Amino acid sequence: DNQMTQSPSSLSASVGDRVTITCRASQDINNYLAWYQHKPGKAPVLLIYAASTLQSGVPSRFTGSGSGTDFTLTISSLQPEDVATYYCQKYNSVPLTFGGGTKVEIK
Amino acid sequence: EVQLVESGGDMIHPGGSLRLSCAASGFAFSTYAMNWVRQAPGKGLEWVSAISVSGGVTDYADSVKGRFTISRDNSKNMLYLQMNGLRAEDTAVYYCAKSSSSRPIRSDYWGQGTLVTVSS
Repeated sequence: DNQMTQSPSSLSASVGDRVTITCRASQDINNYLAWYQHKPGKAPVLLIYAASTLQSGVPSRFTGSGSGTDFTLTISSLQPEDVATYYCQKYNSVPLTFGGGTKVEIK
Repeated sequence: EVQLVESGGDMIHPGGSLRLSCAASGFAFSTYAMNWVRQAPGKGLEWVSAISVSGGVTDYADSVKGRFTISRDNSKNMLYLQMNGLRAEDTAVYYCAKSSSSRPIRSDYWGQGTLVTVSS
């Protein structure tokens, strides 16, 4: 099966900082890659799909890029409400594997 | 407004069975594939199972294959997950999630989750 590897597993940054999270697939998944934000006790939220398309209602400070095996989620200016764990997910075929997650905190 | 409400979570002994339900509203349920995703305590998200719009095609993670069965009732806008042979490692919050198309792909709406605890 295609494994999804995220890095880093956690990060701490200041408000206003640019934050970058990477996701690597062990096999080519074209652009079938989604990013989710998950806060404790809440339902996960779809942020980006097709690697770079912003889901409706998601702030424009979130951007995605990449294709094939290497992908990136960038938060251009970190806000306090962005504290959460972020996951990538491949969806070119089942199993719809998630990355291990990246926990984002405010310094 | 899309709503997904899970129920059925409980504390159960190893080897036991449990059926989770998910009530869907606010969208044309019968035209979207559906997923179950879980999160064990302190762990990340894990895709568990998916079902096609008709229910005729189902897929499972290797960790639950042969023990869990996903099903749906389009007349009632309900999604189910029958869990048999439960193990301690199945302890998790289980989320019902709507696929964004008729195929099991990314999930654009999620429920709040229901907790399953497997313990003796």
